[in-house]
Order: sequence, then structure tokens, then C-alpha cells
Amino acid sequence: QPVLTQSSSASASLGSSVKLTCTLSSGHSSYIIAWHQQQPGKAPRYLMKLEGSGSYNKGSGVPDRFSGSSSRADRYLTISNLQSEDEADYYCETWDSNSWVFGGGTKLTVL
Amino acid sequence: QLQLQESGPGLVKPSETLSLTCTVSGGSISSSSYYWGWIRQPPGKGLEWIGTIYYSGSTYYNPSLKSRVTISVDTSKNQFSLKLTSVTAADTAVYYCARHVAAAGTRMIDYWGQGTLVTVSS
Repeated sequence: QPVLTQSSSASASLGSSVKLTCTLSSGHSSYIIAWHQQQPGKAPRYLMKLEGSGSYNKGSGVPDRFSGSSSRADRYLTISNLQSEDEADYYCETWDSNSWVFGGGTKLTVL
Repeated sequence: QLQLQESGPGLVKPSETLSLTCTVSGGSISSSSYYWGWIRQPPGKGLEWIGTIYYSGSTYYNPSLKSRVTISVDTSKNQFSLKLTSVTAADTAVYYCARHVAAAGTRMIDYWGQGTLVTVSS
């Protein structure tokens, strides 16, 4: 079963860019993941599916400022031109044939 | 527009059974293109997958909860349900229902319910 590792926190200034990382466990580096955003007090929201090739597909209504990329076992979420509403928890998700798993989440603070 | 709505008691006593229902609107739960799942989030903590069901009735459970969890589907009502037995305070959490895509190699969650807080307390 895969394990996803995320940094617990990150911060960046308003209008700047930030790159969040989700790392797949050994033996699972080719896995597809999904990124989800959870703003304070709200339910999570699906952002995108991200493949090992770096190809990504965003959910409906997700701003162009959000993009994804990959390098070996690392899956990245880049947010450009940070806005105050981007301050949230970000979770990655993956799955295998009969289970799903989430990373521990990264709390993003917009300074 | 797809909507998922959780419903059920907000307070459950220790050792009793937690029961929640998710009503799906704007889409059919009988579609072969999706799975339907439950995820929970204890206060101040991260997301934990509980289990998932396919419209056919096939179920998948988190091994850490498997002995206490049952997920079922009622296609006639476009609903699926969660039962968690022998609850303790550690089961206090916001419970979310969600839709997973069922496509070749892809099973991610693409829609979430708004969540419902369940507190375990006497």
C-alpha cells in the first residue's frame, strides 16, 4: 500500500508563487495522485489529477494559477500569484487496487 | 451539478453504532463510472479514508477500521450509507461522503459532500 508524505507547513507572500510537494513511498513512484484544497472551515475541494509524467487535469473552476508537475516519486502543486483565499490545507491522495490513502496535509500560510 | 449530502445523528454514545447516509443528487449512484466513499477528519487533524463502495455492492475498507465498518448502497434511493460499530471518543470527527472516479488507472475523489460532525460522548 502506498504512503504519501507532505511537509506539515509552508508559507509564501501574497502575489508570489509556492510549490508544495507530495512524495510517494518506495516502489510506488509511478502512481497517479490527486490534489485537494481545504479552506478553513470548509469541505475539501478537488483540484487536479497528476500523473508521474507530469501531465495533469484540473477540476472544474480551478484557476489557471494552479498547476502540477512531477519528478520521480515527487508530485508538486504550484500556486502562482498567491491570493489570500489560497491560504488552506492541501492534501494529496492516491490509491491502489483496493484502498485509498491521503498524505498528512500541508498548511499553507499566505503572508 | 452533482451534490452529495450527509445526514445522521450528530451525537452518538460510546459503544454504540454510528450511522450516516449520503444522498446523491444531480447524478446516478448506479453509474459504472464512479465509486462512492466515506472519509473522516478528526478535529484539527488530517483526512482518513474509511471505505468505498461500487454500485454493484463491492466494498473496500480501511484495514484499521475494517472490523467495525459496513458500507451499503441503495440504488433505488440514490443513497449510500456508513455504519461504524463500537464507537469511542477517537471516532469523533467530521465525516465526508465523496465520489471517486472509476476509470482505467484513475480512482481519485472528484466531488466531496459538505461533511457532518459526529461527536461520540455520553
